[in-house]
Amino acid sequence: KQEVTQIPAALSVPEGENLVLNCSFTDSAIYNLQWFRQDPGKGLTSLLLIQSSQREQTSGRLNASLDKSSGRSTLYIAASQPGDSATYLCAVRPLRAGTASKLTFGTGTRLQVTL
Amino acid sequence: DGGITQSPKYLFRKEGQNVTLSCEQNLNHDAMYWYRQDPGQGLRLIYYSQIVNDFQKGDIAEGYSVSREKKESFPLTVTSAQKNPTAFYLCASSSPLGSVNTGELFFGEGSRLTVL
Repeated sequence: KQEVTQIPAALSVPEGENLVLNCSFTDSAIYNLQWFRQDPGKGLTSLLLIQSSQREQTSGRLNASLDKSSGRSTLYIAASQPGDSATYLCAVRPLRAGTASKLTFGTGTRLQVTL
Repeated sequence: DGGITQSPKYLFRKEGQNVTLSCEQNLNHDAMYWYRQDPGQGLRLIYYSQIVNDFQKGDIAEGYSVSREKKESFPLTVTSAQKNPTAFYLCASSSPLGSVNTGELFFGEGSRLTVL
């Protein structure tokens, strides 16, 4: 059974700092891995999607990497801003046929960027 | 704008009542999902559907029911059999495999259900 772990559970950094969020998974047979952001009381917003054949994806100040062999993904946030404060979740889609499949989510890292 | 619309945003239910949460998408996605989120826990899958008139139980389907009569719609009914229904419910859909951004998951804004 796939297990996804995100460490740390919470993180507080001063504005302007570069930071790395971690996501580990136990089964390397994945189709893709997706990073999300969730603000309090809101739905999840997709940040980056990495297919299993890719090593990284970039969007603005965000960069996500994927190392399937070691079961790890990192989300790098450059020059953090108070508006980046949110909970960040990763999810893995298993490598199996079918349009819908049971993704496994981590419990998230709650990030606070202070002034 | 393309997206997923959930309603209502907040819902209060008395014990013993069934309630239905609405989820509508205009992304033309075949696959749709319902998740439950509780404080301190990861998202848990309730039901998912790959295509119209087909759906599968997720990890915590007991006390819930769904239908998929239209591609755009995937309503969730929380029945009186659900022992602890107070939670935040999230609907999602995913892009087809083999497409650009294949298998990307998109979420609605969620519905918060409180049992009084």
